[in-house]
Amino acid sequence: DAKTTQPNSMESNEEEPVHLPCNHSTISGTDYIHWYRQLPSQGPEYVIHGLTSNVNNRMASLAIAEDRKSSTLILHRATLRDAAVYYCILSEGPSNDYKLSFGAGTTVTVRA
Amino acid sequence: EPEVTQTPSHQVTQMGQEVILRCVPISNHLYFYWYRQILGQKVEFLVSFYNNEISEKSEIFDDQFSVERPDGSNFTLKIRSTKLEDSAMYFCASREYGSGRGEQFFGPGTRLTVL
Repeated sequence: DAKTTQPNSMESNEEEPVHLPCNHSTISGTDYIHWYRQLPSQGPEYVIHGLTSNVNNRMASLAIAEDRKSSTLILHRATLRDAAVYYCILSEGPSNDYKLSFGAGTTVTVRA
Repeated sequence: EPEVTQTPSHQVTQMGQEVILRCVPISNHLYFYWYRQILGQKVEFLVSFYNNEISEKSEIFDDQFSVERPDGSNFTLKIRSTKLEDSAMYFCASREYGSGRGEQFFGPGTRLTVL
């Protein structure tokens, strides 16, 4: 399985941007980079995904390095509701039913 | 917005008893998954299900576990003889067929407590 490395925790102030790094040096050419988050006492929630190009959606932006060995999830203006564990996951493709292999993730704390 | 639902939200059982955890995936989705999360640990993949059969399972998913889609809407996880170490949050997820990006939608989970 291709692996990812994330910092254990990050802190941010409310309404400031948060940049969450992820290293995935063994990524293969067909692996999608996915981000999910898990709010306290809830199930995981899809945030964003990408393959090669940077991506934006209503929740966040994903910046992917040119060599695809790292990526950064950007929360543009953190709110208290964004306090969660954020997981960077490499999609394992159709041969593995796109199952998700979760790591420990990054615990994001947002200060009011 | 469509969502995955799970029942019950909390199940308490005695060791050795059978439990069935129920999930209603999003209606047009065709890939289904069960994951579990032991308290304080990471989310672990258990099994994936497509076209009325298991397509992949993890080492955790041994003979005590089974899955079924009995009526075209529900997706169930059965544990035949529960052990203390089965205590965990169990999450159901579903994915739309043909979605190459593999986005999964998760339910709120069932907390299983084995005494």
